[in-house]
Amino acid sequence: GAGVSQSPRYKVAKRGQDVALRCDPISGHVSLFWYQQALGQGPEFLTYFQNEAQLDKSGLPSDRFFAERPEGSVSTLKIQRTQQEDSAVYLCASSSRTYNEQFFGPGTRLTVL
Amino acid sequence: GNSVTQMEGPVTLSEEAFLTINCTYTATGYPSLFWYVQYPGEGLQLLLKATKADDKGSNKGFEATYRKETTSFHLEKGSVQVSDSAVYFCALSPTGANSKLTFGKGITLSVRP
Repeated sequence: GAGVSQSPRYKVAKRGQDVALRCDPISGHVSLFWYQQALGQGPEFLTYFQNEAQLDKSGLPSDRFFAERPEGSVSTLKIQRTQQEDSAVYLCASSSRTYNEQFFGPGTRLTVL
Repeated sequence: GNSVTQMEGPVTLSEEAFLTINCTYTATGYPSLFWYVQYPGEGLQLLLKATKADDKGSNKGFEATYRKETTSFHLEKGSVQVSDSAVYFCALSPTGANSKLTFGKGITLSVRP
């Protein structure tokens, strides 16, 4: 079956622009996570949804970052007024209630000029 | 807070050599421990996991044992192949379903024919 998909795969933004990154989790997966991976580093947690409820947003680095999952399926991570330090790969992962393993998407590479 | 420390890389080995990648962690309670792998051009994949002390996770010839006394989860393989060339990440999550992952920095393994 289909895995986690993310779009776009690559995004170039000028500093100050707003961007929206999309995640399509595996069908039926209750939990959805967003991570940020800077170059040469491991992924760092941003936020977590269970169905449509955002249960943990402790990793969001500033109030310019906003995530939503209004129908408990597709999720969007929005970054307002992008800065150069926002350049990173943004990873989405989903998991089922039963197995708990997180399945990762291919990521969106964001470059802010 | 929780943290994961991996040995510095990169690591370059000849085919059929023995592999050890060190990983130690700091966490409260009894976390679950994971090794994730990222092959060139692909997304993160779970390689193996262990959920309690003395558990051994294994997959594709790789093994790692959850050592609570040394807070370690070292990854080993007896005979590496060129196809094992990838980036390897050690990670932990707190006890309980659908908990966020804390990753190490990752280490790049290159295997020469």
